[in-house]
Amino acid sequence: NAGVTQTPKFQVLKTGQSMTLQCAQDMNHNSMYWYRQDPGMGLRLIYYSASEGTTDKGEVPNGYNVSRLNKREFSLRLESAAPSQTSVYFCASSEESRLADYNEQFFGPGTRLTVL
Amino acid sequence: AQSVTQPDIHITVSEGASLELRCNYSYGATPYLFWYVQSPGQGLQLLLKYFSGDTLVQGIKGFEAEFKRSQSSFNLRKPSVHWSDAAEYFCAVGALDSWGKLQFGAGTQVVVTP
Repeated sequence: NAGVTQTPKFQVLKTGQSMTLQCAQDMNHNSMYWYRQDPGMGLRLIYYSASEGTTDKGEVPNGYNVSRLNKREFSLRLESAAPSQTSVYFCASSEESRLADYNEQFFGPGTRLTVL
Repeated sequence: AQSVTQPDIHITVSEGASLELRCNYSYGATPYLFWYVQSPGQGLQLLLKYFSGDTLVQGIKGFEAEFKRSQSSFNLRKPSVHWSDAAEYFCAVGALDSWGKLQFGAGTQVVVTP
């Protein structure tokens, strides 16, 4: 099993350009997440998908959109990139999370994005 | 809403010495607590978690953590560190009313010296 995979690993964009970060998991997990990691701020949740067909905003959703393409894939799109979106982006997945139950989140290796 | 504080941004420890990383949380009810480790250039890996029951939790790689409700803390410990323990460590908290979503601390960078 590859676990959680992300593409690309590195990307440099100019302000205003768009791009899509891809994420796939082969663990048959229902829930998927996108985080951004910035120095001194830990990981912050951008969007999450509790199950196939649903998506919800996290802590910092502005400037991003997501698509849960199918159970395996969850993509993150930057429509018009800004320097403030320079960050490391992590995708994660977990078995279905329910109230009173937290399942381990498995993380991908990350995408390092620089916006000039 | 829950929050997490890791007071130490950076810790340097000698190989073979003990290690303790601090984590304080803010949440009105019993939280769900996690410690993750991130090696350079890698994603995060779960070390251990606490949901309920025994307040001393054992994890992988020889780590343990103790939940202290009175101090709102969940500190991570290892009796004897190895050079391979050099990494960044994140404490995270979840809550019943936040479905599956985790709040992460800012992280503690651990450097291991020979």
